[in-house]
Amino acid sequence: DADVTQTPRNRITKTGKRIMLECSQTKGHDRMYWYRQDPGLGLRLIYYSFDVKDINKGEISDGYSVSRQAQAKFSLSLESAIPNQTALYFCATSDFGEAAQETQYFGPGTRLLVL
Amino acid sequence: LAKTTQPISMDSYEGQEVNITCSHNNIATNDYITWYQQFPSQGPRFIIQGYKTKVTNEVASLFIPADRKSSTLSLPRVSLSDTAVYYCLVGDRHSGNTPLVFGKGTRLSVIA
Repeated sequence: DADVTQTPRNRITKTGKRIMLECSQTKGHDRMYWYRQDPGLGLRLIYYSFDVKDINKGEISDGYSVSRQAQAKFSLSLESAIPNQTALYFCATSDFGEAAQETQYFGPGTRLLVL
Repeated sequence: LAKTTQPISMDSYEGQEVNITCSHNNIATNDYITWYQQFPSQGPRFIIQGYKTKVTNEVASLFIPADRKSSTLSLPRVSLSDTAVYYCLVGDRHSGNTPLVFGKGTRLSVIA
């Protein structure tokens, strides 16, 4: 979905390096999420934010941190990258319809390789 | 939120109707069901969503029986481009503070 963008799209880094993945959205949504996906597995939630002042840990937050700089921006950092953080990372936003049912909109993903 | 169970994989020939069933035995009164589709190396994409009975859009139909303990995503006349992973999720309409959970999904392979 072009309304949710992620940079970079691909990244190779070395063990121990600090890296940042960025996510921007033009949908005007308050809620934003970071997921990781490993080959053959579903998506696992890393961190989520319901508004600019709200940050919550997800299922697998260890080794990651996030920053919600503005409503439109949500960044994911790997403080000291390790090889098992090699994965496909997705950012998502969400809103609620008339029936109070949430729909998520995903970015194109960032493929990260940690050597 | 209720845990969901789906088949790991399914195969179908082009032109057939495909039905993917999701079990959510512990679904609560306020819970709703959403299905997403994910192509390789892309983010999941919303397909359809419902609370009870039947919902239909231009892409699929969602059947939810009266007890709501399961739901079935129906894809009419699939094509090769429908090859993807399909995820069933359960959400709470009255407590939107619980994040949705994506399981491993069902990998659908459409064969020519």
